Amino acid sequence: GAVVSQHPSWVICKSGTSVKIECRSLDFQATTMFWYRQFPKQSLMLMATSNEGSKATYEQGVEKDKFLINHASLTLSTLTVTSAHPEDSSFYICSASFGLARIEQFFGPGTRLTVL
Amino acid sequence: QQQVKQSPQSLIVQKGGIPIINCAYENTAFDYFPWYQQFPGKGPALLIAIRPDVSEKKEGRFTISFNKSAKQFSLHIMDSQPGDSATYFCAASIRGNTPLVFGKGTRLSVIA
Repeated sequence: GAVVSQHPSWVICKSGTSVKIECRSLDFQATTMFWYRQFPKQSLMLMATSNEGSKATYEQGVEKDKFLINHASLTLSTLTVTSAHPEDSSFYICSASFGLARIEQFFGPGTRLTVL
Repeated sequence: QQQVKQSPQSLIVQKGGIPIINCAYENTAFDYFPWYQQFPGKGPALLIAIRPDVSEKKEGRFTISFNKSAKQFSLHIMDSQPGDSATYFCAASIRGNTPLVFGKGTRLSVIA
């Protein structure tokens, strides 16, 4: 149980285009989902926290107009990178938690974004 | 106060050895301490986690030792295998839906 999927697993796009990444909790309802980015050989950096049905909370320094997060249901959150540029190239990982009932966070397999 | 300091940055052990990875934290409000294993190109996978009311937890070959007074916790991998070669992250959070605070990671290489 507690499986989180991400789609796509990798994407290559041209500079200036927008890319949408989906995060799904497959076998549980995730009241909260988190989005991280990870640069090569570095730790995970939290970008935002999203609760179902409400606006995401962004970490300091993360542009909310550039990284649009939608958490429309208890099993789906999306991250849209708008007007992507090469510096947005990174590994994007989501995680999901049950909420107060269970404290663990379960991570998706990640999405490799390359912006040309 | 939100930092979790992890060491060493990298570690090489021989097969069968017991690598030990250490983490320290400052925020005494943290009450959940998980360890994650990450292989290249994959998302982190939860290995084992501990709460501050116990000093040790074992799951298979993985053991967490927790020292509340010193605000430190460590991961021990018994009988390490080449397949354990990965990056290990410690983390901490406050009970509930709060984000995890990650350490910088330890790249472990287990040599046959």
